[in-house]
Amino acid sequence: EVQLVESGGGLAQPGRSLRLSCAASGFTFDDYALHWVRQAPGKGLEWVSGISWNSAKIDYADSVKGRFTISRDNAKNSLYLQMNSLRAEDTALYYCAKDFSGDVWGVDYWGKGTLVTVSS
Amino acid sequence: QPVLTQPPSVSAAPGQKVTFSCSGSSSNIGSNSVSWYQHLPGTAPKLLISENNQRHSGIPDRFSGSKSGTSATLGITGLQTGDEADYYCGTWDSSLSAVVFGGGTKLTVL
Repeated sequence: EVQLVESGGGLAQPGRSLRLSCAASGFTFDDYALHWVRQAPGKGLEWVSGISWNSAKIDYADSVKGRFTISRDNAKNSLYLQMNSLRAEDTALYYCAKDFSGDVWGVDYWGKGTLVTVSS
Repeated sequence: QPVLTQPPSVSAAPGQKVTFSCSGSSSNIGSNSVSWYQHLPGTAPKLLISENNQRHSGIPDRFSGSKSGTSATLGITGLQTGDEADYYCGTWDSSLSAVVFGGGTKLTVL
């Protein structure tokens, strides 16, 4: 069974940083690309970033480009999202998600999310 | 604004059929396959359909998907109260180099 468990969310002041983590199990981790997707309160799903199986291809939404950094550690079956220069509009539930393939393409399995609140 | 366009809500009675529309452009739906997701608040979104019309593992045949040009459709037959949820379409956008989603459609089973 595919399991994705996010952690690292919490309350941060505007301009500060947070680092999210995602622990994966139930599939061959280094065969698949991974993503972060978020949902702001009362809003729909918004893709944040994706990373290919070998970290060679990384993409970001324009809304986070230059502020967020995605990375993965295949030895630890873990995905990360370093979030810098946080803004109020980054407040959301952040989901870790698995791709259909090794390339950045689309999502099949999702975690339950970790909540990030940016507020002074 | 979401790249893909979905109506905000749809409603139907138990046992009836409902369809969800998703409209895009040549750089996303027009050139890439579409997925559909069911999302109940407080839970992980669940993949229903991938590659336009392929049901994901364990999804009953009451759920179906199709694509034509730059639009896609999700259908649910034999509606049940447990189907009440938000439904999202998603695909890859080749111009943006990004996964894109619709704004979601809220299903109410009356």
